[in-house]
Amino acid sequence: DGGITQSPKYLFRKEGQNVTLSCEQNLNHDAMYWYRQDPGQGLRLIYYSQIVNDFQKGDIAEGYSVSREKKESFPLTVTSAQKNPTAFYLCASTTGGQPQHFGDGTRLSIL
Amino acid sequence: AQSVTQLDSHVSVSEGTPVLLRCNYSSSYSPSLFWYVQHPNKGLQLLLKYTSAATLVKGINGFEAEFKKSETSFHLTKPSAHMSDAAEYFCVGGGGSYIPTFGRGTSLIVHP
Repeated sequence: DGGITQSPKYLFRKEGQNVTLSCEQNLNHDAMYWYRQDPGQGLRLIYYSQIVNDFQKGDIAEGYSVSREKKESFPLTVTSAQKNPTAFYLCASTTGGQPQHFGDGTRLSIL
Repeated sequence: AQSVTQLDSHVSVSEGTPVLLRCNYSSSYSPSLFWYVQHPNKGLQLLLKYTSAATLVKGINGFEAEFKKSETSFHLTKPSAHMSDAAEYFCVGGGGSYIPTFGRGTSLIVHP
């Protein structure tokens, strides 16, 4: 079955450390997205990519970086510049104006 | 520009009673609208979508929504709540953009 795989499910970051969250899709979707979700809040867009080798900042891109070297993959790096990284991170994909398809998320915590 | 407003942050119902989750939208063009459900520590799952083919849209798990242009609303309903319906629900606007517009979410609480 096609879908989006996010890994790991849980991740812990030490002070000053960069961590990378994986997102892989086998839906052949063109566009991919990263969202951050904090308790009791909605989704906030971090970065999105409409095609390979191109991506745009969302509303809260500071302290994060992404790459889109392959259509199937859109990893998110949470850098040490992100001072409050504890959150639930969701990856999504879509194509042709269809509703987004979501992965099961990665929960990032600080050690 | 498009915006989506979920009118209730929490809705509490008893099992077996009807569910109503409210969503209003504003858009300068005919929107695409979706409802998603999110269970704890999970991603969002599509419940149903409106894309102008029919104003009453049926989704999964017995949910449906009616698009009312005169009221700019897209409320989600279910005739009889089940304990497994307890979750977070998001109304989302699409249409003409790669960037969907998310509502803030409504937490549905179902009492036995």
